[in-house]
Amino acid sequence: GQNIDQPTEMTATEGAIVQINCTYQTSGFNGLFWYQQHAGEAPTFLSYNVLDGLEEKGRFSSFLSRSKGYSYLLLKELQMKDSASYLCAVLDSNYQLIWGAGTKLIIKP
Amino acid sequence: ETGVTQTPRHLVMGMTNKKSLKCEQHLGHNAMYWYKQSAKKPLELMFVYNFKEQTENNSVPSRFSPECPNSSHLFLHLHTLQPEDSALYLCASSQEAGTYNEQFFGPGTRLTVL
Repeated sequence: GQNIDQPTEMTATEGAIVQINCTYQTSGFNGLFWYQQHAGEAPTFLSYNVLDGLEEKGRFSSFLSRSKGYSYLLLKELQMKDSASYLCAVLDSNYQLIWGAGTKLIIKP
Repeated sequence: ETGVTQTPRHLVMGMTNKKSLKCEQHLGHNAMYWYKQSAKKPLELMFVYNFKEQTENNSVPSRFSPECPNSSHLFLHLHTLQPEDSALYLCASSQEAGTYNEQFFGPGTRLTVL
């Protein structure tokens, strides 16, 4: 079967750095997405990786290793507004998105 | 504001009621999606429409009936629902289904079935 694993919940301190991991086993791979979802709001796109390596976008970076079936989202200089759920999703061989259950990130002052 | 709107935002209904959820996208996209989001579970894809044609129905019970009159509007008609259908229903759109294009989500309808 197809499976996406990410931690259920993480806690970090304002100003610090946090890494949210995602591992996947899917039938085929056409890219990996990260979305951010604040409570009661729509998921919003953060990043898309299809090649191995690190993609940096401001305070957020996303890394992919296709051989290991692994990705992480790195958040630097954490702010209180970063408290949200972070969803990992893989585009399989049929271009269908397979979603993880999300990681709830709690930022403490 | 993602360019995708959903109404109503909250809905409480009895098991014998009939109601409809509405989604509208202002992005000029050609694909629209319905997802079910339950607490601590992955997003479940329910239906996909690409250029107004239904291309995906992920074994969704017939008490959920989608309708896509044009590329900008998507409805989910509900009847004789069960309490376990209580969830957040998200609508999304993308340039085209079956590609790597990112999906843009609406804020969702929080549905409670009594």
